[in-house]
Amino acid sequence: AQKVTQAQTEISVVEKEDVTLDCVYETRDTTYYLFWYKQPPSGELVFLIRRNSFDEQNEISGRYSWNFQKSTSSFNFTITASQVVDSAVYFCALIPTRGGSQGNLIFGKGTKLSVKP
Amino acid sequence: DAGVTQSPTHLIKTRGQHVTLRCSPISGHKSVSWYQQVLGQGPQFIFQYYEKEERGRGNFPDRFSARQFPNYSSELNVNALLLGDSALYLCASSLGGRGENYGYTFGSGTRLTVV
Repeated sequence: AQKVTQAQTEISVVEKEDVTLDCVYETRDTTYYLFWYKQPPSGELVFLIRRNSFDEQNEISGRYSWNFQKSTSSFNFTITASQVVDSAVYFCALIPTRGGSQGNLIFGKGTKLSVKP
Repeated sequence: DAGVTQSPTHLIKTRGQHVTLRCSPISGHKSVSWYQQVLGQGPQFIFQYYEKEERGRGNFPDRFSARQFPNYSSELNVNALLLGDSALYLCASSLGGRGENYGYTFGSGTRLTVV
């Protein structure tokens, strides 16, 4: 089965705190792709990062960082020094390369992040 | 440059009616995908079209259909609406047929309410 699990439904932090959003995925594919999207109240899904299964290097982009660990099938997302504008729902997603879902995004249920001033 | 545009933004329909949602991809993008996002859930894949042909279909009933036009815009049609069809319908465009290679850009969605 191809599946993405985001166990944290809602997280609330105070501005400037660091926060980590967890993502665990399931796939039997050896080649697959992982994504994070941000969904503000406007509804549009905003692309944050894409990672393929052969690239386990962690990535940092400003206050955002991602930790990809194949051994634990996890692709966690950390926001450092959170800001109110980070408040949104964050989705982790998987694109498998085989089977009926190949080439299409399989999303987790999302984590709603609230950053309070 | 215009992003992915969807129309209408909001829609209210009665059970049993039919609805058509529209999507225009980013200029130059040849693939359009449709996703359904029920409140509190992640988006679920419905259809992908590439070069006017159906590339993939998710686990949705035959009441859902779609098509892609020569200008790469797309329509999603839902017949015999049920209350459970109430959701945000998202359109995503991609340069090529393999989303993993090109990435997906999403529109702001159409919020459908069935009463």
